[in-house]
This record gives sequence, C-alpha cells and structure tokens, in this order.
Amino acid sequence: GQSLEQPSEVTAVEGAIVQINCTYQTSGFYGLSWYQQHDGGAPTFLSYNALDGLEETGRFSSFLSRSDSYGYLLLQELQMKDSASYFCARRGDSNYQLIWGAGTKLIIKP
Amino acid sequence: DTAVSQTPKYLVTQMGNDKSIKCEQNLGHDTMYWYKQDSKKFLKIMFSYNNKELIINETVPNRFSPKSPDKAHLNLHINSLELGDSAVYFCASSPPGGGEETQYFGPGTRLLVL
Repeated sequence: GQSLEQPSEVTAVEGAIVQINCTYQTSGFYGLSWYQQHDGGAPTFLSYNALDGLEETGRFSSFLSRSDSYGYLLLQELQMKDSASYFCARRGDSNYQLIWGAGTKLIIKP
Repeated sequence: DTAVSQTPKYLVTQMGNDKSIKCEQNLGHDTMYWYKQDSKKFLKIMFSYNNKELIINETVPNRFSPKSPDKAHLNLHINSLELGDSAVYFCASSPPGGGEETQYFGPGTRLLVL
C-alpha cells in the first residue's frame, strides 16, 4: 500500500483560501512533501512535513496528521500565479524513492 | 548558476531512432533521478542513482538505459524509440542523508516520437 489520493481539480476565487487534501496508505510512512508545477514547467518543492502539525511558509501552509493518514496544503490570499498543479508525495518503501499523488489542478478565477 | 540542467529541452524524432538526454546538477547532491511525466501529468519514477550506483529501476523497458559517469551527471539513453515514449522527461536530484523528500528538478525534456 503506497498510494496517495488527492482531488484531480479544485477551483477557487482570487483572494480566497483553498485547501488541497492528500490521503495515503500507511505502510512505511515517513513524512509528506508538496510540490507545485506550472503548466510547461518543472515541479518545484514547496514544503515537507516530517512530523504532525502545521508548517507555514508565507501564504502557503502544509498540515500533517499521521494518525489520520492525511495531510493538506493550504493556500491563502490566492493570486492568479498560484494556478498550477500541486502534488503530494511521500518516501516509498525503498530508499531514494518518492511515491507521488496524481496531482491536483488548481484553477483560480478572478 | 543553474541548479539542475537538462539537454535538450525539446526532442522530436522518428520511431525506431536512438536518442540521449543529458542531466547535470551543481548542487553537490548524491542522488539523482529520472522521471517520466505523461499527458495526464502523472509523475512516474524510472531510475534513481546514489553516488553513481543504481538504486531504483522501476518497470521500465530495457530500451531505456541510464548512465552516471559521476555523481553530478545522470544521462538517459533510449533505443528504438516508440510512439508511447512521447512524454516529458525530468531529471531531479536530492541532498544526501535521506533528503529524497526534497527534490530539485531540471526543466524537463519534451520528447515527441513521430
């Protein structure tokens, strides 16, 4: 059991707050990472939660609850430039491997 | 001062050809990866290398052969290209000491097989 589930698409309004959820199966779990990818671009590291709780970096926060096998990425004061795909990922059972969610496309409307 | 670079950025070729993609990182990382991203944006790990040693070799056809001449370089050679190989290929690296959660990606190579 190494899969991660996240919604395929989320729509929000500029200036609002949006939460992108990620649930996973619990075997060999270490922590949860989040990446952002703009269309035509490369994935860019956003955050890593090694422990339970909330990590804040500017307008972006990431939360992890290992007991609930659940995490989320919270984006505040949404800007049009936040339109992108967001991936959650966690270390796999093998070293030097990340298991990736299928990505959530965030659409922001003016 | 590019961190992870790949060449070429675009590659258009005919079915049956052989092609190579090069990747270099100047971050001093020990671990490097190749990913394939299809049109549905799913990121699939192909290979990972640590200190020039192959660690992960997912179920990739043996037409794909990675080579790591040193820990700053990881190249990907593809023989007998097929239509289904069309995708974006990303190289990435991560810091030593179990830093695979934090990966730095190259800009990608967009491969189109005709």
